[in-house]
Amino acid sequence: DQQVKQNSPSLSVQEGRISILNCDYTNSMFDYFLWYKKYPAEGPTFLISISSIKDKNEDGRFTVFLNKSAKHLSLHIVPSQPGDSAVYFCAASVGGSGNTGKLIFGQGTTLQVKP
Amino acid sequence: GAGVSQSPSNKVTEKGKDVELRCDPISGHTALYWYRQSLGQGLEFLIYFQGNSAPDKSGLPSDRFSAERTGGSVSTLTIQRTQQEDSAVYLCASSTNNQPQHFGDGTRLSIL
Repeated sequence: DQQVKQNSPSLSVQEGRISILNCDYTNSMFDYFLWYKKYPAEGPTFLISISSIKDKNEDGRFTVFLNKSAKHLSLHIVPSQPGDSAVYFCAASVGGSGNTGKLIFGQGTTLQVKP
Repeated sequence: GAGVSQSPSNKVTEKGKDVELRCDPISGHTALYWYRQSLGQGLEFLIYFQGNSAPDKSGLPSDRFSAERTGGSVSTLTIQRTQQEDSAVYLCASSTNNQPQHFGDGTRLSIL
C-alpha cells in the first residue's frame, strides 16, 4: 500500500524553464511534507518542507504547493538549472516536523535539465 | 565530521553471512533513523531511535534485522543470515529540535 506516490518516474525540461514535480498521498493523517534531492551515490539532501496548515512555501527558486483536499503537493523549480538534475523524493510524516518519527517516501522522480 | 557518517560505504558478502552496518549521527542529534532503498524504489523506513530507545521498530522486515544505539550516538544495524533480497542501500539519518532529517551517503549492501 503506497501511501505516497510520485507517478512520474522521470521529467525532462529545458534550462531556464519551470520544472513541476508532483506527489499524491492517501493518508489524511499526514501533516508535514518534505522534498529531498538525491544525486547518485549520495544520501538525500533536504530541499524544502511544508506544514499542513499552509498551502505554499517558497525558498528561492523552489516553491512547494499543498492541496489538502486533493491530497496533492507539487514542487516548482524556477528557473531550472542543469545542476538541478537529480532524483527528487517527496516524503510525508504524521505529528509535525520531520524529526518526531518516520518519513514515508514516494518512489522518486528523476529530473533532467537540459542546457 | 559535520554530517552523518556511515560505514562501510560498500559491503559485499555471501548469502547466509551476518553483516553489521554503522551510523555516526550529527553530534547532538537525539533522533536517529534507518531506511533502505532497494533498486528503483523509494526509501523504506526501518527503525527510529530517540536517544537509546527505539519507539518505532515497525519497519524491520524480519527478526533477522536488529539495531541498537549506545550513548545516544552511534548506531549499528545488524542483519543475520543475509538473503539476496536484503541487497539494497541502507541509509541512516539524524535530526533534532524539529528540524528535517539529515542523511548519510548510505551503505550499499550486495548479497551474492
